[in-house]
Amino acid sequence: DVKVTQSSRYLVKRTGEKVFLECVQDMDHENMFWYRQDPGLGLRLIYFSYDVKMKEKGDIPEGYSVSREKKERFSLILESASTNQTSMYLCASSLPLGLAGGNEQFFGPGTRLTVL
Amino acid sequence: AQTVTQSQPEMSVQEAETVTLSCTYDTSESDYYLFWYKQPPSRQMILVIRQEAYKQQNATENRFSVNFQKAAKSFSLKISDSQLGDAAMYFCAYRSGGAGNQFYFGTGTSLTVIP
Repeated sequence: DVKVTQSSRYLVKRTGEKVFLECVQDMDHENMFWYRQDPGLGLRLIYFSYDVKMKEKGDIPEGYSVSREKKERFSLILESASTNQTSMYLCASSLPLGLAGGNEQFFGPGTRLTVL
Repeated sequence: AQTVTQSQPEMSVQEAETVTLSCTYDTSESDYYLFWYKQPPSRQMILVIRQEAYKQQNATENRFSVNFQKAAKSFSLKISDSQLGDAAMYFCAYRSGGAGNQFYFGTGTSLTVIP
């Protein structure tokens, strides 16, 4: 089974702190994604990566950056956390289209981040 | 960008009854994939069912089935014989069959199952 893990289930940080959220997948997926989930807004894409060192902005990249140095790991970085970044963060991975099973995403358990 | 709309923020169903969750989407593409994901309270998001747009036959997975109306751009999820474990947030999602790897999600429907 595909396994996507995230470094923390719950995180509390202070305004202005630099925050790292880590995501690891064990199925050699090329694509990895970071979403933010807020009530009534669904999942909004922050960034995604389709290969090592490659990244593309999603719908709400402001205030975030990402790093993908290894295929299995995709990090989300909040350079200077703010209270409006309090949210649930979900990581996901998938194969590229065209490959068997390459049309669905597999999700991690999520990190609930609170910024005080 | 494609948009996915779930017009029912909350739904409830009596245990053992049937419920239908609605989803519509907007696209100019002919080749795409549609998904329903389930997110139980404090648990991981998992795939419930998928539909390839080129397939006319509606997908079915045990008690879960879809009503895919391509011309109407509608993709509803029917849950039969509802169980307490079906209580969750359900998200409808779209993925292009062409260029790009992005998925588009609806805002979700919270399903309550009443014993």
